[in-house]
Amino acid sequence: DVKVTQSSRYLVKRTGEKVFLECVQDMDHENMFWYRQDPGLGLRLIYFSYDVKMKEKGDIPEGYSVSREKKERFSLILESASTSQTSMYLCASSPAQEGTHGYTFGSGTRLTVV
Amino acid sequence: GDSVTQMEGPVTLSEEAFLTINCTYTATGYPSLFWYVQYPGEGLQLLLKATKADDKGSNKGFEATYRKETTSFHLEKGSVQVSDSAVYFCALSSTGFQKLVFGTGTRLLVSP
Repeated sequence: DVKVTQSSRYLVKRTGEKVFLECVQDMDHENMFWYRQDPGLGLRLIYFSYDVKMKEKGDIPEGYSVSREKKERFSLILESASTSQTSMYLCASSPAQEGTHGYTFGSGTRLTVV
Repeated sequence: GDSVTQMEGPVTLSEEAFLTINCTYTATGYPSLFWYVQYPGEGLQLLLKATKADDKGSNKGFEATYRKETTSFHLEKGSVQVSDSAVYFCALSSTGFQKLVFGTGTRLLVSP
């Protein structure tokens, strides 16, 4: 069964901490994405990557960075966590061909910053 | 830019009722259209998709037809179950692009 695995289901971090959210996919997909999901706001794209070592900003990149050193792994980094970054974070992947495939999502990481 | 508009929720139904969740879109070209479902505490799962006009996507009793003339992709199910309670997202992928644009989601609550 193909999968996108997010390393933690729940995380609690303190304000100012550097936080790493990890995502691994086993489908050899070229594209990977990070979203955050908040009540009433839907899904908002933070960053995405079309290839190893390549990244592009999404709609809300401020306060975040990403790393993609290997094709299967896409990490989201909160440089200095703030309470406004308390949210559900969703990772997704898709193959490189034209967008008829859709995404495969991970189960999400619910991050609380205190 | 491209956008997806979904009906506001929650949609509250009794078991075995008929379900419609409306979705309309704005896009250039010929997008692919998707419905995703999110059960409580989980990530999103692809429910069904349609990649060209007049295609019908179907899965688990859910259906949606790609209507280019009305720019719509409404989700329907003839008889809902309590286990269908979830949030449903409509999404599109524009021609030649690999990013999905999501609607804000519609929560469905089904009572016994």
